[in-house]
Amino acid sequence: DGGITQSPKYLFRKEGQNVTLSCEQNLNHDAMYWYRQDPGQGLRLIYYSQIVNDFQKGDIAEGYSVSREKKESFPLTVTSAQKNPTAFYLCASSTLRDTITDTQYFGPGTRLTVL
Amino acid sequence: SQQGEEDPQALSIQEGENATMNCSYKTSINNLQWYRQNSGRGLVHLILIRSNEREKHSGRLRVTLDTSKKSSSLLITASRAADTASYFCATVTLFLPVADRGSTLGRLYFGRGTQLTVWP
Repeated sequence: DGGITQSPKYLFRKEGQNVTLSCEQNLNHDAMYWYRQDPGQGLRLIYYSQIVNDFQKGDIAEGYSVSREKKESFPLTVTSAQKNPTAFYLCASSTLRDTITDTQYFGPGTRLTVL
Repeated sequence: SQQGEEDPQALSIQEGENATMNCSYKTSINNLQWYRQNSGRGLVHLILIRSNEREKHSGRLRVTLDTSKKSSSLLITASRAADTASYFCATVTLFLPVADRGSTLGRLYFGRGTQLTVWP
């Protein structure tokens, strides 16, 4: 069963703590992305990665960090420097073979709440 | 902003009626995509229309694109209660060079979405 998974589905964090959100895909996609979604809002790009060991900042990278050590995995760490981290986080992937279409495949999301 | 903006923000209709959602954008695009999001879930790609296309169909979906007006519309015909969801348009405008690949990666810009409710 091919797809993109995120864990956990719900995550609670105390202020001052770092937390890491998991994103895994078995679609053999080269590109992966992290978005943040706030209520009633569209998606904003946090980070993206085109190939292993390479990633680039999106529009709202401050307070976040990522790594891309494996093609299948693109974890996102929400650091204590992120001032308002409560949001719905979505991971996506796409193939570079079909760059013109750029259809992205999304995971089910992680809802992060800071207590 | 390069984001698409959907209109209306919310739409409520009865089953069997047609639902029309609009998207406007500001910059030139390579393609425009529509996604659907059920409450608390990830987005699902519905349909893509390229800048040189004017209309596209997929099942009960019909998408139009008017590049002169920088706008697109999504029509869902004979709506069902299961169509209840948020619908987002995403424009692909900026191509990012991919290191050592000789290819490019499109960047999606999402609007805020239209919340569609279909009553049984």
